[in-house]
Amino acid sequence: GENVEQHPSTLSVQEGDSAVIKCTYSDSASNYFPWYKQELGKRPQLIIDIRSNVGEKKDQRIAVTLNKTAKHFSLHITETQPEDSAVYFCAAIPYNNNDMRFGAGTRLTVKP
Amino acid sequence: GAVVSQHPSWVICKSGTSVKIECRSLDFQATTMFWYRQFPKQSLMLMATSNEGSKATYEQGVEKDKFLINHASLTLSTLTVTSAHPEDSSFYICSARDFKREGGTDTQYFGPGTRLTVL
Repeated sequence: GENVEQHPSTLSVQEGDSAVIKCTYSDSASNYFPWYKQELGKRPQLIIDIRSNVGEKKDQRIAVTLNKTAKHFSLHITETQPEDSAVYFCAAIPYNNNDMRFGAGTRLTVKP
Repeated sequence: GAVVSQHPSWVICKSGTSVKIECRSLDFQATTMFWYRQFPKQSLMLMATSNEGSKATYEQGVEKDKFLINHASLTLSTLTVTSAHPEDSSFYICSARDFKREGGTDTQYFGPGTRLTVL
């Protein structure tokens, strides 16, 4: 089955700086890669996703890049704000497969 | 985005009792729902995949007789923790997939979670 690794486990940045979280996956059949943000005690919220036919996707301060050859994808947050502080999870899903596997999560702290 | 509700949001029970958690997709039909468990400061661990009209598929190490899953309709899945013990205390989150025909893959939306505390 799919195995997703996520780094770093914790990340602390100064407000206004950029944050980058990286994930690798093992199943070359995976073709959908969502990123979720989870605040303490709340549900994970989808913040951005990318499909394998695209190399990069951007939504305001958030961007995701995908390298299918290397089987890794990254989340980029620019101009970070304190409200970006949360745990971020990456995930990978193979085509027509019910099996979504999450990375271990990255706890992002943005210091004001 | 799509809305998934979960009930109850929290429950405290005595050891040995059973607890039922409901997961509903409110504005879309979900042929597949998922149940996750999350311990403090850890990732979401998939427990089982709930398929409408058929038996759930459990992940390795998850006891199917302890965690009963029923997916009776396209909008409702239930998880029953039978004979709960303190080690079952956790945050249980369901999710449902909103299938998008284009591309073949779909987006997964999460319920708000149920915090179970077993005394």
